[in-house]
Parts: sequence; structure tokens; C-alpha cells
Amino acid sequence: EPEVTQTPSHQVTQMGQEVILRCVPISNHLYFYWYRQILGQKVEFLVSFYNNEISEKSEIFDDQFSVERPDGSNFTLKIRSTKLEDSAMYFCASKAGRLAGDTGELFFGEGSRLTVL
Amino acid sequence: AQSVTQLDSQVPVFEEAPVELRCNYSSSVSVYLFWYVQYPNQGLQLLLKYLSGSTLVKGINGFEAEFNKSQTSFHLRKPSVHISDTAEYFCAVSEGSNYKLTFGKGTLLTVNP
Repeated sequence: EPEVTQTPSHQVTQMGQEVILRCVPISNHLYFYWYRQILGQKVEFLVSFYNNEISEKSEIFDDQFSVERPDGSNFTLKIRSTKLEDSAMYFCASKAGRLAGDTGELFFGEGSRLTVL
Repeated sequence: AQSVTQLDSQVPVFEEAPVELRCNYSSSVSVYLFWYVQYPNQGLQLLLKYLSGSTLVKGINGFEAEFNKSQTSFHLRKPSVHISDTAEYFCAVSEGSNYKLTFGKGTLLTVNP
């Protein structure tokens, strides 16, 4: 069964360092998302991406964050200068378009745990 | 703006007992509704969804949920839980052309022997 894969599963970094989290969405999907979950809290929307551009972003997604789909398969989240409060589990998700049998479901990866020291 | 309220942060139950996890949403337009489950140290797995049609939807692992438009609720139920159902359960609503999900805060279901 197709799945969303994320790397790394866990990354530890020093405050102020740049971090790139990688995701490989399901191959024929058209909508891509990043969510984060701070330990013990709810899953929060960060950004959605469609047709090679950001379609919506939350207040959390400030200038320190950026997303890219560099090669048609990977979907990356970059945090330019990490802060302690960026420590969280980051989930990537993808969704099919209508012509590809969209069921309305977002498919999530297993997550990348980011720890900022 | 849409929002999701999960009224119970923790629900402890004994094995084989019935359980209901409550979810209310607010939205000004038609929505899609979902329940996701998160087992410890794992990602989010879809349990069930309501897109349209029958208001009673059945999902995996014996769970079901009922969409009640007048009460803006989408409560999750299971008639008899198993210890392996111990997990965090998230209700989510999707609306708009981006189909983004807004999640509730989650309910930790703990099934005791």
C-alpha cells in the first residue's frame, strides 16, 4: 500500500541551526501539508502546498519556515534558525486530487521528531 | 473559522466495556469529518470519515461514529473495547478548497484489564 515517508525520524539540533525535514508523498497525490505536534498538545496545521505554491499557511509558519518541492517527489520543510519552541513532532501529509480517486483523506507520514537544544 | 472541541482529554475504561469519545465542531459551511488514532510513538492513522450520505459511518477496528448536523457533533463509539485500543484519538474537520484539517486536542483512551 502506498505510504507517505518522512526522514529523519528523529533529529537533534542546536538552537540557531538550520534544519530540513524531508517527506516523500504518495506518488500521484496533488495536495501536500505539514503539521506539527508539540509534546502533549494537539496537531497543528502549518502549511498546505498545491500546484507548486503555498496555498495556505498558519500564523505559526513565519519567515523562519519554508517549503519546497524541488524534484517532483520530495516535499521539504526548512526551519532557518531553530528555536527551543520548535521542538515538536512534524508530520507530512498528502492527498489525492479528484481525478486520482480522492477519498477526502489526508495520508500522514510517521513523523519527524525534532529536538532543539 | 472552523474549530473542533473534544470534551474529554482522558477516558479510562475497562476492557470489553463500551466507550464514546465526544467531538463537537463549529463551521459555517459543509464539512468533512474525521477521526484519527495515534498509537504511542507512531503517526496518525485514519479510523473513519464522514463526507456525505449516511450519518452513521463505520471504520476500522470496530469503531463507528454518527454525524449529527443539528448538534454539530461527530462522536466516536465502540461497543466493546480491547486493551489494544489504548491510544490518543483525534477528531478533525476539513473545509475549504485546501482541504486542510483542523484537529481537536485529542482524547487519550486508556483501556484497563
